[in-house]
Amino acid sequence: QQPVQSPQAVILREGEDAVINCSSSKALYSVHWYRQKHGEAPVFLMILLKGGEQKGHEKISASFNEKKQQSSLYLTASQLSYSGTYFCGTSKFSGGGADGLTFGKGTHLIIQP
Amino acid sequence: EADIYQTPRYLVIGTGKKITLECSQTMGHDKMYWYQQDPGMELHLIHYSYGVNSTEKGDLSSESTVSRIRTEHFPLTLESARPSHTSQYLCASTAQESNTEAFFGQGTRLTVV
Repeated sequence: QQPVQSPQAVILREGEDAVINCSSSKALYSVHWYRQKHGEAPVFLMILLKGGEQKGHEKISASFNEKKQQSSLYLTASQLSYSGTYFCGTSKFSGGGADGLTFGKGTHLIIQP
Repeated sequence: EADIYQTPRYLVIGTGKKITLECSQTMGHDKMYWYQQDPGMELHLIHYSYGVNSTEKGDLSSESTVSRIRTEHFPLTLESARPSHTSQYLCASTAQESNTEAFFGQGTRLTVV
């Protein structure tokens, strides 16, 4: 079942903060976040696992509320390079990525100078 | 930088032609995936593979087929292309362990006329 992302689009000025939400009607074992710039491949941001473990590369924080089946991505002091479409993906099984991810419809983020 | 490559990047082809989209990775990943993405929209999983000689259909029904004869190679074939197949096709791979980063290729943008 496809996770639901909100908002659909955000326009910010450089330096402002943003929160992107991802929720599911099914139990979540993990939530994966990716950013895709126009014409480019999606790039990994973070994985949040049931139990609190996080794996990520960038200075972007996120939370995972297992009971509410929700995850939020926090973009603080946004930079122009943060522009793009953010996708959350969920895995069907606790085993994770063996069967691929089901992605939300994405949140389009535009950062203006 | 991800070591996963897709060719061609762009393909315009006539209806009824047979096409193969190539995907290769040099990371030794066992798990590979094909996603379909329309412009500005989400990614849909159409095929995945656990390893050599393993192929599975994804969430979105697709008329394409895949094969996995070598670990590094995961080609996608359309026997008879139709305009409804016009889309972007993204290949990805992950390491064997669960819940790890997916590396995406640059995609093949297919147009069937």
